[in-house]
Amino acid sequence: AQSVAQPEDQVNVAEGNPLTVKCTYSVSGNPYLFWYVQYPNRGLQFLLKYITGDNLVKGSYGFEAEFNKSQTSFHLKKPSALVSDSALYFCAVRMDTGRRALTFGSGTRLQVQP
Amino acid sequence: NAGVMQNPRHLVRRRGQEARLRCSPMKGHSHVYWYRQLPEEGLKFMVYLQKENIIDESGMPKERFSAEFPKEGPSILRIQQVVRGDSAAYFCASSPKPLSSYEQYFGPGTRLTVT
Repeated sequence: AQSVAQPEDQVNVAEGNPLTVKCTYSVSGNPYLFWYVQYPNRGLQFLLKYITGDNLVKGSYGFEAEFNKSQTSFHLKKPSALVSDSALYFCAVRMDTGRRALTFGSGTRLQVQP
Repeated sequence: NAGVMQNPRHLVRRRGQEARLRCSPMKGHSHVYWYRQLPEEGLKFMVYLQKENIIDESGMPKERFSAEFPKEGPSILRIQQVVRGDSAAYFCASSPKPLSSYEQYFGPGTRLTVT
């Protein structure tokens, strides 16, 4: 079985400050990890993914995420937050074999204050 | 290149009616996934289809729900005899190949309200 935990329901950060949205996962094989963002009444937009290779992956809109195998984490980061980054962020995982469906975390609402 | 298209965007049904949700994947994509999102929750997998085949329906309720992806036309998620608990946002996603390393591209969703 695979699962994803996003321990924070909401993250508040001031514009211009760095942001981190946390994600931990549990799988029985090698994980493929994804971050998606959802704006109000919209579908999910793909931000970035970790498949293999460098533990630090860079994605859209200046976001990056660090894969940490020993801590089973895949935290999303951005050096300088923008008000327009305010949205709902989802971490998702699937294994490298077997089931193709993504397992999502419960989501973290990011609020960037001007 | 148009993204994943879903219609209708909003659907209101009375209890006991049928709901039909349509999804057209991105051009060149032959793999479709349906997810359900309850308010303030993450997405939960329902079913994974390729053209004319259901590959994985482990997340789909055994009764009242069905899905298809015919050779021609969109994928359809059908909910018969809807109940209030079916009210949710239903998202379709597509990918070009079944490999797990490929990300899925999501449509805007259909928001179903059962009155």
